[in-house]
Amino acid sequence: DTAVSQTPKYLVTQMGNDKSIKCEQNLGHDTMYWYKQDSKKFLKIMFSYNNKELIINETVPNRFSPKSPDKAHLNLHINSLELGDSAVYFCASSQGGSPPGELFFGEGSRLTVL
Amino acid sequence: TQLLEQSPQFLSIQEGENLTVYCNSSSVFSSLQWYRQEPGEGPVLLVTVVTGGEVKKLKRLTFQFGDARKDSSLHITAAQPGDTGLYLCAGLIKAAGNKLTFGGGTRVLVKP
Repeated sequence: DTAVSQTPKYLVTQMGNDKSIKCEQNLGHDTMYWYKQDSKKFLKIMFSYNNKELIINETVPNRFSPKSPDKAHLNLHINSLELGDSAVYFCASSQGGSPPGELFFGEGSRLTVL
Repeated sequence: TQLLEQSPQFLSIQEGENLTVYCNSSSVFSSLQWYRQEPGEGPVLLVTVVTGGEVKKLKRLTFQFGDARKDSSLHITAAQPGDTGLYLCAGLIKAAGNKLTFGGGTRVLVKP
């Protein structure tokens, strides 16, 4: 059973399009995250939700909108995609809010914007 | 400027050799985690250190937390090809609002 699963694993799209990435965790964790890993492998937090409530919102363009329908799901919608959005996006979860404990990551969703 | 600096950025060694990677900050860590990431996968936690001066061992991996809790090191003894991967440190720094902040990673390649 996959603990943190995200779909799709690969996404290739044109500039200006809108796309979504879905994430689900079956660990019973309270907190879920979206991280962006760029081509230099630098992993940067974008958003964090605790029990469906937004608790961390880094300086991310408002073209990125997370949605948490329940504490097991955290989706990421991106409007008007730009070339610089190309990266691997990781969903993660942890038990508890702040400070976080161990993060459990999904396999990543590689987004390529052409 | 990154809050956590990892060095070196890349390390290529032969099987059987030892290696050490470093994680440094000018800020004090509340706690620090080390993750390993393999290609096409997400990072996986190796260890969490909390107390200054703490040393933890995980088979051939030894993790050390600096006395002042500003730095950490990961030492691998007799490296094997299976140790190949991206090693990431992640720290809780009060100056960063106690969010888990990742370093830039050290890519380790162990050649057979």
